[in-house]
Amino acid sequence: GQQVMQIPQYQHVQEGEDFTTYCNSSTTLSNIQWYKQRPGGHPVFLIQLVKSGEVKKQKRLTFQFGEAKKNSSLHITATQTTDVGTYFCAGRGSARQLTFGSGTQLTVLP
Amino acid sequence: NAGVTQTPKFQVLKTGQSMTLQCAQDMNHEYMSWYRQDPGMGLRLIHYSVGAGITDQGEVPNGYNVSRSTTEDFPLRLLSAAPSQTSVYFCASSYFRLIQGVDSPLHFGNGTRLTVT
Repeated sequence: GQQVMQIPQYQHVQEGEDFTTYCNSSTTLSNIQWYKQRPGGHPVFLIQLVKSGEVKKQKRLTFQFGEAKKNSSLHITATQTTDVGTYFCAGRGSARQLTFGSGTQLTVLP
Repeated sequence: NAGVTQTPKFQVLKTGQSMTLQCAQDMNHEYMSWYRQDPGMGLRLIHYSVGAGITDQGEVPNGYNVSRSTTEDFPLRLLSAAPSQTSVYFCASSYFRLIQGVDSPLHFGNGTRLTVT
């Protein structure tokens, strides 16, 4: 079945440093979504990418969808303590359902 | 709007007990789903429904039952709890797929933290 791998599993950064999480699918995706889960909270939708090579920005967050539509990345510039949480990618491929990656837990040290 | 409401927030069960996790949404979403979240494993789909009267299995359905008698409610039943079912359970809903390749985002409830001893 479809698999979505996400790395790294954990990332500790100093406040102000950049952060990147990567997502790779075993199959071509029709779209990829990103969610953020704050500690003790629930996942919250951030963005969806649909087109090959698409790049979207939300303030300090940059999302990319690969040309082959099998990989994606989320980059945060100059992290802040409010960025703390777990970031999940979720891809929809030939399967009818979204497949979530295992998530990257981001810790930002002040 | 309350969004997606899950009850209870916490539950402790003994092995072999049964219980129902409740999920209700007030956004008139056709699609509803249950996920479990375990450390290092992301969110895994248990069961889902695309409308009242329609349910289907996800990735990890064993030991769980669902029904969808109304658009608003999607309860998850644990038939005979096992320690392996200790997890955080999330209910999520969305409009059904809108147009080709573009999804309606999932709205998650606050979760139920279940411990089976």
